[in-house]
Amino acid sequence: SQQGEEDPQALSIQEGENATMNCSYKTSINNLQWYRQNSGRGLVHLILIRSNEREKHSGRLRVTLDTSKKSSSLLITASRAADTASYFCATDGERGAQKLVFGQGTRLTINP
Amino acid sequence: NAGVTQTPKFRVLKTGQSMTLLCAQDMNHEYMYWYRQDPGMGLRLIHYSVGEGTTAKGEVPDGYNVSRLKKQNFLLGLESAAPSQTSVYFCASSLSGIRTDTQYFGPGTRLTVL
Repeated sequence: SQQGEEDPQALSIQEGENATMNCSYKTSINNLQWYRQNSGRGLVHLILIRSNEREKHSGRLRVTLDTSKKSSSLLITASRAADTASYFCATDGERGAQKLVFGQGTRLTINP
Repeated sequence: NAGVTQTPKFRVLKTGQSMTLLCAQDMNHEYMYWYRQDPGMGLRLIHYSVGEGTTAKGEVPDGYNVSRLKKQNFLLGLESAAPSQTSVYFCASSLSGIRTDTQYFGPGTRLTVL
């Protein structure tokens, strides 16, 4: 079953614009992570936000978490062509579960 | 450090054939995972291991077996391949449990079953 669901499924913007992707999940979590996947490559971890945190920054990335709405958003500011990739959220689902559950991803295209 | 490596990178099998995918990590991680990625399905966990000599089932374990004889290696076996197992397979590892740890992914193995 899908725990995290990203929205939109695809996003195309111009270089320099900001990109916002959303993730919704179903069960209580301990933390939520965002990963990036370039075409034909493995996933790369971007950022982890804990359930008691509301916002976190890393460079041009800003992640928010609203546990009351069971949702998170990833904002990429001043996008670059190199940001073109698929972005996945992942949650730990059930308490004590030793596995991550990934969403289907948002495919982001940055147009030059 | 090579990180997480996977062999082979590509493979084509006929229905009923068997094969083993090898995952190796040089980060001394305790946890290792096998995922499959299909279009529109995201990543689904097949099996995972919380330490040498241990394995556990994930979300979609049927048709696969795994072994973790050495801490650095995690093998995924297909005993009798089926077209439904055509997918891209990713291995990942993490230092310990997933609550605070990130997972490090290999480059993937693209498997086609005819």
